Order: sequence, then structure tokens, then C-alpha cells
Amino acid sequence: GESVGLHLPTLSVQEGDNSIINCAYSNSASDYFIWYKQESGKGPQFIIDIRSNMDKRQGQRVTVLLNKTVKHLSLQIAATQPGDSAVYFCAENKGSNYKLTFGKGTLLTVNP
Amino acid sequence: DAGVIQSPRHEVTEMGQEVTLRCKPISGHDYLFWYRQTMMRGLELLIYFNNNVPIDDSGMPEDRFSAKMPNASFSTLKIQPSEPRDSAVYFCASRQGGGTGELFFGEGSRLTVL
Repeated sequence: GESVGLHLPTLSVQEGDNSIINCAYSNSASDYFIWYKQESGKGPQFIIDIRSNMDKRQGQRVTVLLNKTVKHLSLQIAATQPGDSAVYFCAENKGSNYKLTFGKGTLLTVNP
Repeated sequence: DAGVIQSPRHEVTEMGQEVTLRCKPISGHDYLFWYRQTMMRGLELLIYFNNNVPIDDSGMPEDRFSAKMPNASFSTLKIQPSEPRDSAVYFCASRQGGGTGELFFGEGSRLTVL
């Protein structure tokens, strides 16, 4: 069936370290993936996306890696800052039906 | 642009009462989505509209839930009658058609049904 799940529900890192948040998906037909950040009391905010014809995409301090062989998605945050503390969701989309399926989320805590 | 605007931000009501949540999407966006977020089930898509027309309401849990979009700048999600299990944060999101799937979310409406 279609599902998006996360390996780690919580992640605690030291300020300045790199963070890696993982996500597994089961729908091999999914062709578009997005990472969202949700701070406490706010709505999810778009971070970065990647299409299935790519295996890596970089943004500002963030990199998304896609491994279609094992249906795995990861978000790497370089030089993690306290402002990065939030819940991070991966989401998948199949085709152009505009329906995003979200994972349960990983709570990232950055320690000063 | 002010972003997606939702109201109320917080609502506390008693079981059996009618609840109406409101959303103003970003101007120019022709897709509008209603999501529900709970600790147990995460973010669930309830319904989405394209050009004010409901496209997929398969996520609407029961007949007690209904959503409308009378025009491009306004949508409502109504629960009647409300039940304690409806307690959640309800998010509205909007996007433009085509291109990436980036959704712009509102701040959410936190509903508590006693």
C-alpha cells in the first residue's frame, strides 16, 4: 500500500553539527518528494523538493538525497542551528494528482 | 502577500455543537487543501479543491464533515455535530497549479471538542 514512514521519531544534535533525517516510502510509483519543517504552533513550511529522476538536490544548508532502489529519502542539514529545531516531515506525491502523503514526522532538537 | 489565513486560531466547543473553520488562500492559487493533524495519525488530507470545485473528498471522515469553496478567496470546513475525537489542528493550504507541489500552509485552527 501507499505509505511514508520515518526511521527516527526524534533526533538530538549539537549546534554546529550536521543533521540527517531519514524517511522510507513504500510506493515505488511516487515521483515527487518534499521535505517540510514545522515549528511549534505553526503550519508546515516547504524546505526542499526532489523529483524521482534525480538522486540529489541541494539548497541553502540543506541537501535531499533520494535512493529509489531502497525507497529511501534523507534530509541533511549542515551546521545545524537552534532555529532548525522543529518537526520535519517528508511527503510524497504520485503523478499530478496533487495529493501529498505525509510521514509522521521527526522531531529535531538542537542543543546549544 | 499575507499567506494563507485561517480563523479561528483556537476553538473550544462542546460535543454536539457546530464548528466552522475558515480559510483564505493566497491570491492567485487555484488549489486549496484541508488537512487535519493529530499526534496519532499525523497530517491527513481531508479534501481539496481546484478552481473552487471539490476534486477529492475521500479523506473526509464522515458525513458530519463538509467543506465548501464559494469563491476563489474563501473556503469553510464545517463539522456538525462535533465530537471529542474531532479534536485536532486543522490546516488549510493552497498552491498554484502545475510545476512543483509546494503547498503554502496556514497557521492552523486548533479545535478542542469537550
